[in-house]
Amino acid sequence: AQSVAQPEDQVNVAEGNPLTVKCTYSVSGNPYLFWYVQYPNRGLQFLLKYITGDNLVKGSYGFEAEFNKSQTSFHLKKPSALVSDSALYFCAVREPIKAAGNKLTFGGGTRVLVKP
Amino acid sequence: DGGITQSPKYLFRKEGQNVTLSCEQNLNHDAMYWYRQDPGQGLRLIYYSQIVNDFQKGDIAEGYSVSREKKESFPLTVTSAQKNPTAFYLCASSPTGTSTYNEQFFGPGTRLTVL
Repeated sequence: AQSVAQPEDQVNVAEGNPLTVKCTYSVSGNPYLFWYVQYPNRGLQFLLKYITGDNLVKGSYGFEAEFNKSQTSFHLKKPSALVSDSALYFCAVREPIKAAGNKLTFGGGTRVLVKP
Repeated sequence: DGGITQSPKYLFRKEGQNVTLSCEQNLNHDAMYWYRQDPGQGLRLIYYSQIVNDFQKGDIAEGYSVSREKKESFPLTVTSAQKNPTAFYLCASSPTGTSTYNEQFFGPGTRLTVL
């Protein structure tokens, strides 16, 4: 069965410093990986995805993620964090079987706190 | 939150009552999903539907029921059999077809509290 792990419950970073949110995955076959962000009492917003191609994926709001097949990781990064980036971040992996209908398995989430 | 609406935003239920959460999308997506989110936890899949009049159980379907009579609507009923229904419920939709690597689009959520 596929799974996603986000090893850090919370990440604290000063505004202007680089931000990294870690994600590792386990899946049979090619991984299709996603990052979402959730602000308090809101739904999830899509940030970026890796399907194939370049290992560095660029997404919304200045975020990017690096796919590393050998380490089975898909870490989310931002070169310079903003206070407004404070939110809950979820990594997800898609079921590789087409018939499964785009089912996603989510990690437990990482809360990011950016301090001024 | 795109073209997905969920209502109500807040819902209070007495023990033993069934309640229905609404989810509507105008994105013309074939697939729709229901997730449950508990504090400090990730999302868990309750039910999903790839096409009208068809749906499948997710990881935690016990105590829940759904219907998919229209493409744009996927209501979730939380029955009295669900022992711990207090949670944040999220509905999502996505396109399907030959290119099935699409992201899911989420609604704003419904917070259900059992009194």
